[in-house]
Amino acid sequence: GAVVSQHPSWVICKSGTSVKIECRSLDFQATTMFWYRQFPKQSLMLMATSNEGSKATYEQGVEKDKFLINHASLTLSTLTVTSAHPEDSSFYICSAEGGRAPKNIQYFGAGTRLSVL
Amino acid sequence: RKEVEQDPGPFNVPEGATVAFNCTYSNSASQSFFWYRQDCRKEPKLLMSVYSSGNEDGRFTAQLNRASQYISLLIRDSKLSDSATYLCVVKHVRTGGSYIPTFGRGTSLIVHP
Repeated sequence: GAVVSQHPSWVICKSGTSVKIECRSLDFQATTMFWYRQFPKQSLMLMATSNEGSKATYEQGVEKDKFLINHASLTLSTLTVTSAHPEDSSFYICSAEGGRAPKNIQYFGAGTRLSVL
Repeated sequence: RKEVEQDPGPFNVPEGATVAFNCTYSNSASQSFFWYRQDCRKEPKLLMSVYSSGNEDGRFTAQLNRASQYISLLIRDSKLSDSATYLCVVKHVRTGGSYIPTFGRGTSLIVHP
């Protein structure tokens, strides 16, 4: 099956620093990638939809300046958590879509566990 | 009402049992449906797509009921390894033409010996 690589898998950082998370589709081109956030025992919360070559579409309540998304190529999207604070600690997961909408399937990265001290 | 609703469970069943989960969705224009499985502290992995005619993959059967706006997942002959959280995913078209996936919060299944 399709492979999506997400890096890093675990980050511990000090409050105020910025953290960059990469999401790569390894064996297919993904025009659309999604970024999610998940709290313990909660559903995946869609943060933004990332489209190659255009600005990301953010969900209501997600700060654009806080969570910077760049989708520079068909195989790479990045999420930067700027000036991270303890409340940003969470599990961040990306997914990339392969195939044709609407039946295209999402393949997930392994997630990044962010802990802000 | 939430867009996609699932009973969080947990469903606690013995090995060999048959268990069924439902997932209801509120957007009647939803176009495609999936079941994912998520193990603790791991990423979701596709279990199966849900087709209008229903589909079966080994011990797993998925059904779609558009009239009542729900999808179901049936697991027969449960194995210990089936213990996980099962996520329902529904896609609908947003203004602008993009298909947005919405996740349910998941149903927890625990299969015990």
